[in-house]
Amino acid sequence: KQEVTQIPAALSVPEGENLVLNCSFTDSAIYNLQWFRQDPGKGLTSLLLIQSSQREQTSGRLNASLDKSSGRSTLYIAASQPGESATYLCAVRGPRYSGGGADGLTFGKGTHLIIQP
Amino acid sequence: NAGVTQTPKFQVLKTGQSMTLQCAQDMNHEYMSWYRQDPGMGLRLIHYSVGAGITDQGEVPNGYNVSRSTTEDFPLRLLSAAPSQTSVYFCASSNLAGLNTEAFFGQGTRLTVV
Repeated sequence: KQEVTQIPAALSVPEGENLVLNCSFTDSAIYNLQWFRQDPGKGLTSLLLIQSSQREQTSGRLNASLDKSSGRSTLYIAASQPGESATYLCAVRGPRYSGGGADGLTFGKGTHLIIQP
Repeated sequence: NAGVTQTPKFQVLKTGQSMTLQCAQDMNHEYMSWYRQDPGMGLRLIHYSVGAGITDQGEVPNGYNVSRSTTEDFPLRLLSAAPSQTSVYFCASSNLAGLNTEAFFGQGTRLTVV
């Protein structure tokens, strides 16, 4: 069964710092990996989607990398801002036979990020 | 483009009551899913549908029913609410399972069963 782990579970940094969030998965048979942001009491907002054939994807100050063979992804946030305080979730999508959830999507439990002004 | 819309946003039920959580998407997505999110448990799949008329169970289906009569709508029914069903419920949609699909989520329904 696919398992997704996110480290650290919580992170607090001062404003302006560059930071890295980590995501690892146990089964490399994935179609893609998606990073989400979740604000308290809100839904999930998609940040970046990386296809299995890609190594990285960038959106503004966010950069996500994917190393499928080692089962790892990182989300890099440059020059972090207090408005980016939220929980960041990683999810992998794979074929159902790999155990990646009935709809192919398996989530990590998230990293709770606090950016101090 | 509204995306995925869930109603209601908040609901309090008494044990034994039934209710339906509504989910609608306007992106013509074939794939729709219901998740529940609990502290320390992450998101867990309840039911999903690959198209109108087709539904299947996820990881935690007990106590819930779904139907998919149209592409747009995927309601989740709680048959007899229990305190263990207190949770935040999310509906998601995407184009076909697997390849090149980005999942879109609604804003969630916060349900409390007393």
